[in-house]
Amino acid sequence: SQKIEQNSEALNIQEGKTATLTCNYTNYSPAYLQWYRQDPGRGPVFLLLIRENEKEKRKERLKVTFDTTLKQSLFHITASQPADSATYLCALEDDYKLSFGAGTTVTVRA
Amino acid sequence: EPEVTQTPSHQVTQMGQEVILRCVPISNHLYFYWYRQILGQKVEFLVSFYNNEISEKSEIFDDQFSVERPDGSNFTLKIRSTKLEDSAMYFCASSSQNRVGQPQHFGDGTRLSIL
Repeated sequence: SQKIEQNSEALNIQEGKTATLTCNYTNYSPAYLQWYRQDPGRGPVFLLLIRENEKEKRKERLKVTFDTTLKQSLFHITASQPADSATYLCALEDDYKLSFGAGTTVTVRA
Repeated sequence: EPEVTQTPSHQVTQMGQEVILRCVPISNHLYFYWYRQILGQKVEFLVSFYNNEISEKSEIFDDQFSVERPDGSNFTLKIRSTKLEDSAMYFCASSSQNRVGQPQHFGDGTRLSIL
């Protein structure tokens, strides 16, 4: 069966450090992988998209990697800030719809 | 920045009653989606809609569910006879193109509580 797994439900880090989140998938062959941010009581907000032939994508303090051999994406938040505290969702494109992982909740301590 | 708006923000309904959730997608978007998120669980796809037709639906989207674009701006999700297990956050999303590699823009959801 198809599965998307994100590492540990919660990640607590000190302000200024780098948060690294993992998304692993099985029985998918996505051409694209997306990352979203979700705050409590709010809808997901698009952050970054990476194509299967791209190894890495950056946007400001965010970096995403995509390894189709390992079936894994890594999401990095560098120089983290308390405002980065949220749940981060990995999403795979599957016939034009998104299949989401359960998310990793990041808490950045000041 | 344009956004997807959903009403109401919270809907409380008795089991067995019909409920309609409303969404106004981003104005130049052509592709529309409904997702749901049961408390503490992941976001799940329900249905996609384009050109006044359902493009794809999940196993969750059974005969109790229907979608409609009644005019040029609104997109609705109807649940005919609600069950306790329909309690969840329902998110509407839209995208400008329905080809791979397009971000979807989500509303802030309607919290549906079935009593």
